[in-house]
Amino acid sequence: EIVLTQSPGTLSLSPGERATLSCRASQRITSTYLAWYQQNPGQAPRLLIYGESNRATGIPDRFSGSASGADFTLTISRLEPEDFAVYYCQQYGSSPTFGQGTRLEIK
Amino acid sequence: QVQLQESGPGLVKPSQTLSLTCTVSGASISRGGYYWSWIRQRPGKGLEWIGHIYYSGNTYYNPSLKNLVTMSVDTSRNQFSVNLRSVTAADTAVYYCARTDWNYYYFDYWGQGTLVTVSS
Repeated sequence: EIVLTQSPGTLSLSPGERATLSCRASQRITSTYLAWYQQNPGQAPRLLIYGESNRATGIPDRFSGSASGADFTLTISRLEPEDFAVYYCQQYGSSPTFGQGTRLEIK
Repeated sequence: QVQLQESGPGLVKPSQTLSLTCTVSGASISRGGYYWSWIRQRPGKGLEWIGHIYYSGNTYYNPSLKNLVTMSVDTSRNQFSVNLRSVTAADTAVYYCARTDWNYYYFDYWGQGTLVTVSS
C-alpha cells in the first residue's frame, strides 16, 4: 500500500497569505493519479485538483498543484476566508489511498 | 447536475451486515467511463477507500477489506450498493458514495454521506 504523508498537520495563516501544503508518497507514483480535496466540517470532500495540476470545474485559479518526484504540493496563492478547511491528497497506485489531512486554520 | 444520495440503516449491530445504496441522478451509471466508489470516514479521522464497481459489475476492493465487502450495481434503477459483513465498532463511520473518473482516478462527485453506527 502506498502511504501518503501530509505536512504540516495544521497550518495557521491569515487571509491574504499564501498557503503551501505538502504530500509525500512512500513510493514513486505517476503524477497523473494525484488529486487534492477540500473538506469543510459536516460536508463531503470537494475535488480541487486532479492529474497533479488540473483544476476541477469551478475551482478558482488561486488553487494550484505541482509535483517533484514523490513530493506533491497544493498552493493557495491568496487565502480567502472560505479556504480555511481540511485538505487531503489522494493517489491511485495499486490501490487508492488518502493522506491523513492538513488542517488550514485562521491565525 | 450529477447528484449522489446514500441510503440505508443508520444503526447496525455488531457481527451483522452493513448495507447501503447510492442513488445517482443527472448521470447514467451504464454510460461507462466512470467507476462508482464507496469511501468512508471514521469520526474525526481521514478518508478510506472501500472499493469501486463498474456498470458491467466488475469490482475492485480495498485489499484490507476485500474478504468482507461485496458491491453490486442495478443499472435499471441507476443505483449501486455495498455490503460490509461482520461489522464491529471500528466500522462506525460516515459512508460516502462517489463517482470516479477512470482515466485519472479522482472522485469528482460525492454524496452527502450517511453516518452508520455499529452498536448493540
